Amino acid sequence: QVQLQESGPGLVKPSETLSLTCSVSGDSINTYYWSWIRQPPGKGLEWIGYLYHSGSTNYNPSLKSRVTISLDTSKNQFSLKLTSVTAADTAVYYCARLTRYDWNPNWFDPWGQGTLVTVSS
Amino acid sequence: QSALTQPASVSGSPGQSITISCTGTSSDVGSYNLVSWYQQHPGKAPKVMIYEVNLRPSGVSSRFSGSKSGNTASLTISGLQAEDEADYYCCSYAGTGTIVVFGGGTKLTVL
Repeated sequence: QVQLQESGPGLVKPSETLSLTCSVSGDSINTYYWSWIRQPPGKGLEWIGYLYHSGSTNYNPSLKSRVTISLDTSKNQFSLKLTSVTAADTAVYYCARLTRYDWNPNWFDPWGQGTLVTVSS
Repeated sequence: QSALTQPASVSGSPGQSITISCTGTSSDVGSYNLVSWYQQHPGKAPKVMIYEVNLRPSGVSSRFSGSKSGNTASLTISGLQAEDEADYYCCSYAGTGTIVVFGGGTKLTVL
């Protein structure tokens, strides 16, 4: 059974970089796409981006200038970096496995439990 | 503003059927059969209920079904149960530019 677990600081200062890691167990990260999604408190879901084991990535155009998603195959992990954060980046951040159809993103399953990141001084 | 439009809330009584709509454009829902639906209970991670418009993952109740007409996808839940009370989100592939879009979410209340 595939399981994903997010980890990283729960508090980040404005203008700094948010860094999170997703650890994958029960499946090799050398398959599927792997994605980050976030949810501001009381609001809806926002797709951040995904990557493939080849290292190729796709990002939400509204976040593209600040986002980097990368892979660590030796640890079966992938990571998110979001630079120059503001209070608007406060959210629960989820990692998820993304099944593709041909080369297009299809559906997210499973999801990690999510981790709340608050941007505040 | 979310790229896909969902009603903010719907409600129904136990045993009834409800339908949640998800309206996009010819660039996303209307062009691809890559629509998925997610159920989210308070404080929990989303769970996929439908993918590729009308397919159910293993373990998801047959009371959940999906469909699409033009630029609008729909999720129908039949035989409503108290445990179905949750937020529901649609999601669609949106082409090489926007790529992935979610709906704003619909709160389902079981009366």
